[in-house]
Amino acid sequence: EPEVTQTPSHQVTQMGQEVILRCVPISNHLYFYWYRQILGQKVEFLVSFYNNEISEKSEIFDDQFSVERPDGSNFTLKIRSTKLEDSAMYFCASTRGGLRGEKLFFGSGTQLSVL
Amino acid sequence: AQKVTQAQTEISVVEKEDVTLDCVYETRDTTYYLFWYKQPPSGELVFLIRRNSFDEQNEISGRYSWNFQKSTSSFNFTITASQVVDSAVYFCALGSSNTGKLIFGQGTTLQVKP
Repeated sequence: EPEVTQTPSHQVTQMGQEVILRCVPISNHLYFYWYRQILGQKVEFLVSFYNNEISEKSEIFDDQFSVERPDGSNFTLKIRSTKLEDSAMYFCASTRGGLRGEKLFFGSGTQLSVL
Repeated sequence: AQKVTQAQTEISVVEKEDVTLDCVYETRDTTYYLFWYKQPPSGELVFLIRRNSFDEQNEISGRYSWNFQKSTSSFNFTITASQVVDSAVYFCALGSSNTGKLIFGQGTTLQVKP
C-alpha cells in the first residue's frame, strides 16, 4: 500500500532556529495536512493545503509556521523561529479528495525537540 | 463546535478479555466522518476504520468491531479476545466534509496484560 513518508524521523534544534519538516505524500493525492501531538496529549490539526494554497489552519498555525509544496512530490512545514513549546511529534497526511470516500493515512511522524 | 470525547483515559485488561473503547462526538454537520486510529508505543498513527454519517452499519474486522449509533452520537470500538499486541493508545476522530480536518479525542490508553 502507498505510504506517506516523513523525514527526518527525529530533529533536534536550538530555540530560535528555523526548522523544515519534510513529507512526501502519496503520489496522486491532492489534499495535504499537518498535525502535531505534544507528548502525552491528543493529536491536533495544524493546516490543510489544496491547490497550492492553505484551505484551513488552526489557531496554533501562527505566523511562525508556513507550508509549501515546492515541487510535485514534497510538502514541507517550516517553523521560522522555534520555541520550546514547539517540541512535539509532527504528522503529515494526504488524501486524494478530502475526506469523501477516503481513508486518511498519516506518515510515521517527525519528533521535533527544541532545546 | 465539533468535539470528540473519549471518557476512558486508561483501561487495563487481562489477555483474552473483551474490551470496549467509548467515543462520543458532537457536530452540527449532517455529513461527517468518524475514524479510529491506533498509536502503538513506536508512535505512528495506524488507520483502523472510517465511517461516514450515512452508514450506520456496524462493522467487524477480525477481532475488531465498531458500533456506530447516531441517536447517541457514539462510535464505540470493541476488541474481542484482546492480545498483548493490542496495547496502545486508541484515538477516535471526527472529520468535517467541508474542511477535511480531523478533530481527535484525548485518546484511551489500553494495556493488555498477559
